Amino acid sequence: GESVGLHLPTLSVQEGDNSIINCAYSNSASDYFIWYKQESGKGPQFIIDIRSNMDKRQGQRVTVLLNKTVKHLSLQIAATQPGDSAVYFCADPHGSSNTGKLIFGQGTTLQVKP
Amino acid sequence: NAGVMQNPRHLVRRRGQEARLRCSPMKGHSHVYWYRQLPEEGLKFMVYLQKENIIDESGMPKERFSAEFPKEGPSILRIQQVVRGDSAAYFCASGRGFQETQYFGPGTRLLVL
Repeated sequence: GESVGLHLPTLSVQEGDNSIINCAYSNSASDYFIWYKQESGKGPQFIIDIRSNMDKRQGQRVTVLLNKTVKHLSLQIAATQPGDSAVYFCADPHGSSNTGKLIFGQGTTLQVKP
Repeated sequence: NAGVMQNPRHLVRRRGQEARLRCSPMKGHSHVYWYRQLPEEGLKFMVYLQKENIIDESGMPKERFSAEFPKEGPSILRIQQVVRGDSAAYFCASGRGFQETQYFGPGTRLLVL
């Protein structure tokens, strides 16, 4: 069946350092991925997305890399700030039924140390 | 430009009561998705609706749970005869169309005593 999973449940970084959060997927047909950030007590917030015709996409302080060969994607956060502390999810909106439902990984908790 | 709205934000029910969760999608969005998040877990898809239609309810428990998205008004997720295991955060997301980016509401935290 389909699955999307993150490699590390928790990532701790020093403020100002770069953060890299990884995600693996199993569905070869997946062609669109979204990264969400969820702060404590809040709903998931859209960060950035990427389609399979791209290897890399950049936003403000964030970059997503997609490696279709090994079915892996990563979210890179430059100059990590305390406000980046949250749980990060990668999501695959296509699943196996093509209805657009999101399949979430377990999430990686990013802890930013001052 | 208001985002996705959910109410109530917190809901406490005793076992056997009914819970009604409401979701108003973003303006211009006609697709609504409901997800459930248990403590320390990721979000799990429950149901996908368009106006007056249930498109995919493969993640919805077969009993006690129902959802609707009427022509007018918010989408409603209804849980009858709640049990303690229903305690979770329920999130609604909306999108412009099929497989478009989904934007999430703040969630309703249901606690069943």
